[in-house]
Amino acid sequence: GQSLEQPSEVTAVEGAIVQINCTYQTSGFYGLSWYQQHDGGAPTFLSYNGLDGLEETGRFSSFLSRSDSYGYLLLQELQMKDSASYFCAVHTGFQKLVFGTGTRLLVSP
Amino acid sequence: DVKVTQSSRYLVKRTGEKVFLECVQDMDHENMFWYRQDPGLGLRLIYFSYDVKMKEKGDIPEGYSVSREKKERFSLILESASTNQTSMYLCASSLQGWNEQFFGPGTRLTVL
Repeated sequence: GQSLEQPSEVTAVEGAIVQINCTYQTSGFYGLSWYQQHDGGAPTFLSYNGLDGLEETGRFSSFLSRSDSYGYLLLQELQMKDSASYFCAVHTGFQKLVFGTGTRLLVSP
Repeated sequence: DVKVTQSSRYLVKRTGEKVFLECVQDMDHENMFWYRQDPGLGLRLIYFSYDVKMKEKGDIPEGYSVSREKKERFSLILESASTNQTSMYLCASSLQGWNEQFFGPGTRLTVL
């Protein structure tokens, strides 16, 4: 079977740093992606990790440890507009993604 | 900018009706996908297509079929809609060999 686990909700204040973890158990693994989805909006791609280590894109970073079947998304200098749902997704094969159930991030003033 | 459009934002159908959901992308992407999104379950892949007239089952294909007659268009068909198919349906596309999928705005389907 395929399973991805991430927290259902995380809260933080503006300016803080938050980490959203994702552990996975899948039949194939070619990489881990993260997507952001605002309420009523479409998911948008944030990052991809194919190899172990940290990938940084502005205020967002993503980390992968293949040996631990674990990854995380790190959001720094949080802003109100970062309030959204964040999904990890495992690339299990030919262009195929399996998504986690999502983490709702609430950023307060 | 990549644009993925879906034929309707909201759709209400009756049990037993045949339902067509249309998706069009304008960036010549080879791959197209249909997902459904339900609270607490995330996005689940229904079907995908990596070329015209080619299709592959995803994780929850039962009750659905797809059609891809042209590269830019991917249709999801509910042969006989049922209430448990009430959901948000998201279409996505991607370029061959790229990791990023581009999503459409979604169609919220209600089956009464």
